[in-house]
Amino acid sequence: AQKVTQAQTEISVVEKEDVTLDCVYETRDTTYYLFWYKQPPSGELVFLIRRNSFDEQNEISGRYSWNFQKSTSSFNFTITASQVVDSAVYFCALHYGGATNKLIFGTGTLLAVQP
Amino acid sequence: KAGVTQTPRYLIKTRGQQVTLSCSPISGHRSVSWYQQTPGQGLQFLFEYFSETQRNKGNFPGRFSGRQFSNSRSEMNVSTLELGDSALYLCASSLGRATNTYEQYFGPGTRLTVT
Repeated sequence: AQKVTQAQTEISVVEKEDVTLDCVYETRDTTYYLFWYKQPPSGELVFLIRRNSFDEQNEISGRYSWNFQKSTSSFNFTITASQVVDSAVYFCALHYGGATNKLIFGTGTLLAVQP
Repeated sequence: KAGVTQTPRYLIKTRGQQVTLSCSPISGHRSVSWYQQTPGQGLQFLFEYFSETQRNKGNFPGRFSGRQFSNSRSEMNVSTLELGDSALYLCASSLGRATNTYEQYFGPGTRLTVT
């Protein structure tokens, strides 16, 4: 069965520190999709990235970077030089599979960036 | 392009009542998914509609139902409300072609409180 584990419940860092959010997934599918979303206090889930299982290249977008490793079933997210505006809950998600848009979400990691 | 809109944003109901929530997807998107978010259960998939047909359903009782209209707008209904139905209900919009998995964009959510 598909499952996403975010073992870090809460992380607190001081501004300008780098921080990595862990995500471990389980799936029997050979082709699958992984996602990261950010949920600020306003509640709306903001899409950050989608990654296909057949593309293992790491991706960088500004201060954000993602490390996808099929060998360890992990899809970790790093924020470089964190800022107070990065404070939010971050969710990792796995596409359920098949002809549907259903996502399986992890429990989320609350990131608090202190000034 | 306008984002996903959900109405109402906040709702207070009493046990036993029913409620209807509305979601308008991004223009051109044909898939609408609904999720329930609670502190105890996290983000859970309710159902997905694609071209007016329910394509997938989560593990929720029959009190939870939905539909999609020809303009892709979707509604979800909860009958005989229980205290445990208090949650943030999020709607997600996607292009949703049957053989591809596209990013899902979420609305701001409807905060339902059942008293």
